[in-house]
Amino acid sequence: QTVVTQEPSLTVSPGGTVTLTCASSSGAVTSGYWPNWFQQKPGQAPRALIYNTSNKHSWTPARFSGSLLGGKAALTLSGVQPEDEAEYYCLLYYGGDWVFGGGTKLTVL
Amino acid sequence: EVQLVESGGGLVQPGGSLRLCCAASGFTFSRHWMHWVRQAPGKGLVWVSRMSGDESRTKYADSVKGRFTISRDNAKNTLYLQMNSLRAEDTAVYYCAREGLGYYDWLFSWGQGTLVTVAS
Repeated sequence: QTVVTQEPSLTVSPGGTVTLTCASSSGAVTSGYWPNWFQQKPGQAPRALIYNTSNKHSWTPARFSGSLLGGKAALTLSGVQPEDEAEYYCLLYYGGDWVFGGGTKLTVL
Repeated sequence: EVQLVESGGGLVQPGGSLRLCCAASGFTFSRHWMHWVRQAPGKGLVWVSRMSGDESRTKYADSVKGRFTISRDNAKNTLYLQMNSLRAEDTAVYYCAREGLGYYDWLFSWGQGTLVTVAS
């Protein structure tokens, strides 16, 4: 049973920079896991932010970026805004199965 | 504008069945792979199932294999999830989602979800 691990919670100050990571129990995350990232605010459906490691959707703010970092998928927010407070989920592809990380609750304080 | 609207959720007893629907509009439904994802109350997202646009290919999470069946009617622009032998642990909000046109854009657009509660 593959487990995808994210930081349970992170806190960042407005205007600051924070990196969320996504690790796989099966080893280093590579581009072949096609990492996707999603944002979910309370009471709302998730919204796609990043696909295929680093590609943004038309609605994804420029301050969000995706990458691979130290064997993990990473989502970096630069110049954090109060409205970025939310739960963030990564999704990894395992050859026909998809596994979400447990989510990171990002607090902007 | 892409729109996905789920329906069919509700309260069902353990061992019972339910069929969820996802009505799609704003895009050529038959061209897109579709997914179901669920979220138990206060918990994280869990991928459930996927189906190809031409209905020929399906995949399921191990936790629902043999109990849930994904299907679609491209003439009606509707995705379905038939859920049988329901268990308490199947209680969740169920979302349908459409893949994007970009490579490996798995869950481009989401519906608002429908709540399934399995309890006696």
